[in-house]
Amino acid sequence: DTAVSQTPKYLVTQMGNDKSIKCEQNLGHDTMYWYKQDSKKFLKIMFSYNNKELIINETVPNRFSPKSPDKAHLNLHINSLELGDSAVYFCASSQVETGGPDTQYFGPGTRLTVL
Amino acid sequence: RKEVEQDPGPFNVPEGATVAFNCTYSNSASQSFFWYRQDCRKEPKLLMSVYSSGNEDGRFTAQLNRASQYISLLIRDSKLSDSATYLCVVNGNDYKLSFGAGTTVTVRA
Repeated sequence: DTAVSQTPKYLVTQMGNDKSIKCEQNLGHDTMYWYKQDSKKFLKIMFSYNNKELIINETVPNRFSPKSPDKAHLNLHINSLELGDSAVYFCASSQVETGGPDTQYFGPGTRLTVL
Repeated sequence: RKEVEQDPGPFNVPEGATVAFNCTYSNSASQSFFWYRQDCRKEPKLLMSVYSSGNEDGRFTAQLNRASQYISLLIRDSKLSDSATYLCVVNGNDYKLSFGAGTTVTVRA
């Protein structure tokens, strides 16, 4: 009964390819996030959706396109992969209350390696 | 200036020792504060929220100093299982959490 799940766990691909990462949460939360953690371990928000609406869109190349078909799913599609995209991508979810988000629950991460 | 700054460490301490470290944040309007723990090659997990008056959870004590804009975490009676990276996390009055780069703690036998 995994709370936040991501697939795949590992992704190795060539430069220039297009790939997708999927995320699902069964916590009933209304907000989901994508984070990127690079080799320096810095965890940086990329996108956030609240009830399928995009609410955070940080400075991310437009090769990255999130899609939320429903509030339990948030997928990330990446076009024309580059070497610098190699990182661990974490999905997270939370229930947003007045004053800010509650605890964020993270998925296990997708380790993307671009060759 | 980064939104959240932490001493990366590493802090190498013997079992049973006390270890403490801080983080500073730049947004004075920040409303919520947390410590998350991340083990090697795993996802971050909430360790504890940080309340204005300071709070304790077992061997862990968190303090918030709004005037100086810093948060601290103290671990008493360190266990081997406390070895991890501790992430300081701050939220403004919006949906976004800002993460520090983490402080690495290694507890040795």
